[in-house]
Amino acid sequence: NAGVMQNPRHLVRRRGQEARLRCSPMKGHSHVYWYRQLPEEGLKFMVYLQKENIIDESGMPKERFSAEFPKEGPSILRIQQVVRGDSAAYFCASSPPSTYGYTFGSGTRLTIV
Amino acid sequence: GQQVMQIPQYQHVQEGEDFTTYCNSSTTLSNIQWYKQRPGGHPVFLIQLVKSGEVKKQKRLTFQFGEAKKNSSLHITATQTTDVGTYFCAWRAGNNRKLIWGLGTSLAVNP
Repeated sequence: NAGVMQNPRHLVRRRGQEARLRCSPMKGHSHVYWYRQLPEEGLKFMVYLQKENIIDESGMPKERFSAEFPKEGPSILRIQQVVRGDSAAYFCASSPPSTYGYTFGSGTRLTIV
Repeated sequence: GQQVMQIPQYQHVQEGEDFTTYCNSSTTLSNIQWYKQRPGGHPVFLIQLVKSGEVKKQKRLTFQFGEAKKNSSLHITATQTTDVGTYFCAWRAGNNRKLIWGLGTSLAVNP
């Protein structure tokens, strides 16, 4: 049973480009969460999705950031017109319908140059 | 609003010494979870505590949830170099499934 798959592991973008981060949850997990982490800091909640629905996007900036979890395929976190401050590790996690612990992917390290 | 403090922020121990990290909340928590993140890695779920006064053990790790469900601790007995990493507590706010995270305690172990 594969865990949460995130790709790419590392992504370098120039300022102004778009970044697309992908996350495939564990089999049987219907809830996906995106978190951002800066070095030496904790995890900041961004968005919580179920299939085809955004449940809570209170942690996601209103501009340039969007997320989706389509009926088929992985969840996508999209950052348009990236800026230096977007450089961070972005983690995706999934959980089953029961309220138990999250399973995290290995993360995408985004670097803006 | 709810405030949860995780202390200490950093802890440096000699291998074989014990280690404890605490999460203290200003309000009652419905449950609390603990995660470990190795340097350069991703958070890994360790345990969930739900009941008042609950104590759970995993080998050298002991997890406690206070009687008032306002504080929790993770205690490691006789640390090893493999224990190095950052330990986070996390909790659910209300009925929302999303987790709110403490700032973590970074543990360094000298061999």
